[in-house]
Amino acid sequence: KQEVTQIPAALSVPEGENLVLNCSFTDSAIYNLQWFRQDPGKGLTSLLLIQSSQREQTSGRLNASLDKSSGRSTLYIAASQPGDSATYLCAVMGSWGKFQFGAGTQVVVTP
Amino acid sequence: SQTIHQWPATLVQPVGSPLSLECTVEGTSNPNLYWYRQAAGRGLQLLFYSVGIGQISSEVPQNLSASRPQDRQFILSSKKLLLSDSGFYLCAWSTTGANTEAFFGQGTRLTVV
Repeated sequence: KQEVTQIPAALSVPEGENLVLNCSFTDSAIYNLQWFRQDPGKGLTSLLLIQSSQREQTSGRLNASLDKSSGRSTLYIAASQPGDSATYLCAVMGSWGKFQFGAGTQVVVTP
Repeated sequence: SQTIHQWPATLVQPVGSPLSLECTVEGTSNPNLYWYRQAAGRGLQLLFYSVGIGQISSEVPQNLSASRPQDRQFILSSKKLLLSDSGFYLCAWSTTGANTEAFFGQGTRLTVV
């Protein structure tokens, strides 16, 4: 059974620092990995999708890497801003066609 | 472009009452559809998964059921709610194939009292 772990569970940084969020998964037979952002009481917003054949994906200040063989992905957010405060979740999709989520990392960026 | 609608946004229901949450998707056909539940401080738990009309996979034995009467409509139901059914319910859809990407609705906050 696929298990997805996100470390740390919570993170607080001053504005301007870079954020590093980690996601690990136990079964490397995945089709893709997706990073989401969730604001309190809201749904999930897709940030980045990395296909299993890719090593990384970038969008603006966000960069996500994927090392499928070691079961790891890292989300980097450069020059953090207070508006980046949210919970970040990673999800993996395997051949079973469903998304398995980590518990998320709660991020607070202080001005 | 594709959009997903989920309603209601919030719901307070007494124990033992029925439940019906609805989710519809626009701008795509034959999507995979999902219902997730998010308990306070916990991750997302997959409840139901559908690859087509009338095709429902249940992931967790529980007090809930799901139906897909139309290609882009997904309904979560219960005949009698329990206190433990309280939580944040999220509907999602995804494309099919190797580039599958998931998109979520805004969620329904259900409080059973």
